[in-house]
Amino acid sequence: ETGVTQTPRHLVMGMTNKKSLKCEQHLGHNAMYWYKQSAKKPLELMFVYNFKEQTENNSVPSRFSPECPNSSHLFLHLHTLQPEDSALYLCASSQGSWDYQETQYFGPGTRLLVL
Amino acid sequence: TQLLEQSPQFLSIQEGENLTVYCNSSSVFSSLQWYRQEPGEGPVLLVTVVTGGEVKKLKRLTFQFGDARKDSSLHITAAQPGDTGLYLCAGGDVAGNMLTFGGGTRLMVKP
Repeated sequence: ETGVTQTPRHLVMGMTNKKSLKCEQHLGHNAMYWYKQSAKKPLELMFVYNFKEQTENNSVPSRFSPECPNSSHLFLHLHTLQPEDSALYLCASSQGSWDYQETQYFGPGTRLLVL
Repeated sequence: TQLLEQSPQFLSIQEGENLTVYCNSSSVFSSLQWYRQEPGEGPVLLVTVVTGGEVKKLKRLTFQFGDARKDSSLHITAAQPGDTGLYLCAGGDVAGNMLTFGGGTRLMVKP
C-alpha cells in the first residue's frame, strides 16, 4: 500500500468532454506531482505543488489544468484533449523538504483514453 | 536538458539467470533512484544511491552508482518470475527534488 490513491482508475473520453482526475495522499506529505506515462516516452513530469503552491509547470498545454486545494488532494482538470493525450497519468507525493534524496510515492495511475 | 538512457529496453530470460540493466547519461546527478513498476500500478522505489561509486544490495539486487555520478547499473542474481516488471532509473536534480526518468527496461522472467 503506497498511501496514494487515484480515481478513476480508467477513463474514456471524447475530445469535447471535460473530466477531472483526482489524487489523494494519506502520508502527511507537502509536495504532490502529476506525471504522464505514455508507451513511447519516459515518464514526464507535468506539475509540482509544494505546500499547495505550484512550483513547476513543465510546459504543459493549457488543456491540462491542475488544482491543489490542500496538501492532501490534487486534481487534474481535462478539457478538449487530443488522442495523443491518451496515457497513464500518475500522481506522486513526497515530504516536500526538497532533499535530493527525497522519496516520491506513486499512486496506481489513471489510464486515460481519448477518442 | 538532462537525459537518461536505459538499456536494454526489453529483456526476456529464464528463471535462475543473471542480468544487468544500465542507466547512462552525459549529465551529473545528485542522486540516482531505481523503481520497479508492475502492470496496473505506479512505480515503487527500490533504492537511492547518492555517492559516486556507491554499491547497495537488496537481497538478489545489486545497485551501483558510477564514480562520476553519470551512470548506474542494476544487477539481478538468479532472477525469479516475481522480478518481472518495468525497471525505471531516475536522476535527482541538484537544485531540488525534480526527477528525470529513463525510458525503462521491461523485464520478463520465465519459469
